[in-house]
Amino acid sequence: AQSVAQPEDQVNVAEGNPLTVKCTYSVSGNPYLFWYVQYPNRGLQFLLKYITGDNLVKGSYGFEAEFNKSQTSFHLKKPSALVSDSALYFCAVRDMGTNDYKLSFGAGTTVTVRA
Amino acid sequence: DTGVSQDPRHKITKRGQNVTFRCDPISEHNRLYWYRQTLGQGPEFLTYFQNEAQLEKSRLLSDRFSAERPKGSFSTLEIQRTEQGDSAMYLCASSGISVSKFFGPGTRLTVL
Repeated sequence: AQSVAQPEDQVNVAEGNPLTVKCTYSVSGNPYLFWYVQYPNRGLQFLLKYITGDNLVKGSYGFEAEFNKSQTSFHLKKPSALVSDSALYFCAVRDMGTNDYKLSFGAGTTVTVRA
Repeated sequence: DTGVSQDPRHKITKRGQNVTFRCDPISEHNRLYWYRQTLGQGPEFLTYFQNEAQLEKSRLLSDRFSAERPKGSFSTLEIQRTEQGDSAMYLCASSGISVSKFFGPGTRLTVL
């Protein structure tokens, strides 16, 4: 079984401050990990993924995420948040060792960046 | 636009009616997925196609739901005898040789 937990329903930061959105995962084997962002009444936009290799993954719009195997975490970060980063963020996982291609998503974290 | 497209974007129907949604994946992608997202939740997997073969269906996909991908290109998701609990955003995604899935804008269904 595979699952994702996003422990914070909401994250509020001031523009220009660092942004962190937390994610922990559970899989039987090794994970593929993803972050998506969703704006109101829109589909999900891909931000970044971890497959293997460097634990620090860089993605779109200045976002990055750090894979930590010992803590089973994949936190999303941005050094300096923008008001336009305000959106709903989803972490997702897939077990690398199976032929099961479906993703399991967390419940989402609403990010609000205030000017 | 070479992304995943879905039609319609919004659908309002009365309970008991049938509805059909269409998804056009990125052209070179052989895998196509349907997910359902309810308010305040992350997307939940419904079903998955590799080319025209439907390889997996979630237990969420009751007998009232059917999905097809007849020529391995576009896909349709039909819900028969809709219920108010079917109200949700229905998301389609596609992927190719990369593990990354790309999602469409979704179809928001409201069942009155």
